[in-house]
Amino acid sequence: DTAVSQTPKYLVTQMGNDKSIKCEQNLGHDTMYWYKQDSKKFLKIMFSYNNKELIINETVPNRFSPKSPDKAHLNLHINSLELGDSAVYFCASSTGTEISYEQYFGPGTRLTVT
Amino acid sequence: KQEVTQIPAALSVPEGENLVLNCSFTDSAIYNLQWFRQDPGKGLTSLLLIQSSQREQTSGRLNASLDKSSGRSTLYIAASQPGDSATYLCAVRDNYGQNFVFGPGTRLSVLP
Repeated sequence: DTAVSQTPKYLVTQMGNDKSIKCEQNLGHDTMYWYKQDSKKFLKIMFSYNNKELIINETVPNRFSPKSPDKAHLNLHINSLELGDSAVYFCASSTGTEISYEQYFGPGTRLTVT
Repeated sequence: KQEVTQIPAALSVPEGENLVLNCSFTDSAIYNLQWFRQDPGKGLTSLLLIQSSQREQTSGRLNASLDKSSGRSTLYIAASQPGDSATYLCAVRDNYGQNFVFGPGTRLSVLP
């Protein structure tokens, strides 16, 4: 009965590789997000999708490309991985309406680039 | 640009104590404020959500207050337990409902 799930939980890869992280939510939410948590534990929003449309795109290198095949999924694809991409990436979802915007987070994916 | 700070950065208390965690934000034009806990190696768990029109929210031993005009929120934990040990994060959402800014967190250790 997991609400927001991410795969994989851990990802170790070499510089220059291309990788994807998958996110799925079974809450029926309209809006999904990707966050990056850096080594100082700051969480920063990267992308936000509402009904499969991009609504937030913070200053993120274009090597990062989110893909939303449907409302329940928001995958993050990263090209040409760099050492600085090492972080924990969190997916989240919310109702995306004016009501509450309360966010529900996935368990995170720890990406290590060597 | 909204900035969120949390004080203290770390806190260690004996079991049973009541404690207060503080969150400050620079732009009072917020839509809501949310408190989370993060356990090591795990995701974020939502604790309380306070809409901008509300002053406080309560859930069990937790009480969160919001003073928008002064840019502050507090999370009060009553009768702390070792299981409360985690990092507590506050996050504010701007008035457009889209930008979500997190604080750096307070690492809480409750000693048995």
